[in-house]
Amino acid sequence: AQSVTQLGSHVSVSEGALVLLRCNYSSSVPPYLFWYVQYPNQGLQLLLKYTSAATLVKGINGFEAEFKKSETSFHLTKPSAHMSDAAEYFCAVTSRGSARQLTFGSGTQLTVLP
Amino acid sequence: EAGVTQSPTHLIKTRGQQATLRCSPISGHTSVYWYQQALGLGLQFLLWYDEGEERNRGNFPPRFSGRQFPNYSSELNVNALELEDSALYLCASSSRDRVDNVLTFGAGSRLTVL
Repeated sequence: AQSVTQLGSHVSVSEGALVLLRCNYSSSVPPYLFWYVQYPNQGLQLLLKYTSAATLVKGINGFEAEFKKSETSFHLTKPSAHMSDAAEYFCAVTSRGSARQLTFGSGTQLTVLP
Repeated sequence: EAGVTQSPTHLIKTRGQQATLRCSPISGHTSVYWYQQALGLGLQFLLWYDEGEERNRGNFPPRFSGRQFPNYSSELNVNALELEDSALYLCASSSRDRVDNVLTFGAGSRLTVL
């Protein structure tokens, strides 16, 4: 079985400040990990993915995430928040040889304050 | 390249009625996934279709059903609608050739049950 826990359902940062969204996973086999973003009234857009190559993964819009096996974490960061980053962010996990559907975390709503 | 398209965008039904939602995957994708995003419940996996067959099913009652057509488009049917079925229904597609199983999502169909 696999699962994802996102710590903090709501995170607020000031424009220009560091963004840190936390994700911890549970998987009995090596995982594939993803971050998706959902803007209001839209579907989900892939930000970045970890597939066992480099542990530091760079994505779109200046976001990156680091896979830490020892901590079972895949936290999402961005050095400087922009107003356009305000959205809901979902961490997701799947595994090789699994049923292939993604299991999502409960989401973190990011608010960027002017 | 056209993305994943879903119809209708919005649908209003009353309790006990049936709803049908449709999804067209990205050209070349053979797998279609359905997720329910209800308020406060995150993204819940509903169904996975590939090559016309149902491959996996989430923890939903049998009144949630669907099918995949020869052109890989898919239909989700919800029978005997209940108030708690009100949600955003997201469709995603992927290629079976991709080991990392990146999902591309549509914009969703919002179902309101009165």
